[in-house]
Amino acid sequence: AQKVTQAQTEISVVEKEDVTLDCVYETRDTTYYLFWYKQPPSGELVFLIRRNSFDEQNEISGRYSWNFQKSTSSFNFTITASQVVDSAVYFCALSEAPRNAGNMLTFGGGTRLMVKP
Amino acid sequence: KAGVTQTPRYLIKTRGQQVTLSCSPISGHRSVSWYQQTPGQGLQFLFEYFSETQRNKGNFPGRFSGRQFSNSRSEMNVSTLELGDSALYLCASRIAGGENEKLFFGSGTQLSVL
Repeated sequence: AQKVTQAQTEISVVEKEDVTLDCVYETRDTTYYLFWYKQPPSGELVFLIRRNSFDEQNEISGRYSWNFQKSTSSFNFTITASQVVDSAVYFCALSEAPRNAGNMLTFGGGTRLMVKP
Repeated sequence: KAGVTQTPRYLIKTRGQQVTLSCSPISGHRSVSWYQQTPGQGLQFLFEYFSETQRNKGNFPGRFSGRQFSNSRSEMNVSTLELGDSALYLCASRIAGGENEKLFFGSGTQLSVL
């Protein structure tokens, strides 16, 4: 069965600090997709990134970067020079290739990030 | 392009009642999924619909049901409400339901069962 673990339940940093959110996953499939979502207080989950299991290239998008390592089954997310607007709950999620029609996302427990001014 | 719309935003019910939540996906999206979010269990998959057919179902009791209409709008129903059903119910849509497609989420319906 697939599983996603986000060991950090809450992180507090001061603005402009760098912060890394950890994500470890378990799956028996060789083909799968990993996602990060951000949930601000409004409740809506906002898509940040998608990565497939065959692409281990790290990705950078502005202040955000992601480090995917299959050897350790990790998909960590780093925010550089954090800002107050980054305060939210961040979820890592896993999607496997469907065994039948349809599929689902398995989410980690989330990491609440608080950025203080 | 309008996002995923969920109604109502907030709902208060009492134990034993039933409730229906509504979700309108992004125009052109044919797959609609529902997730339950609670502080204790986190985000859990309820079910997914595609072209009016349920394609996948999570590990929830039969009190939780759903349906999808020909215009891709979806409803979920919870009968005989229990206190533990209090949660944020999130609806998400995507184009065709492929595992590589990103989900677009609504803001959710916050259900409180008293």
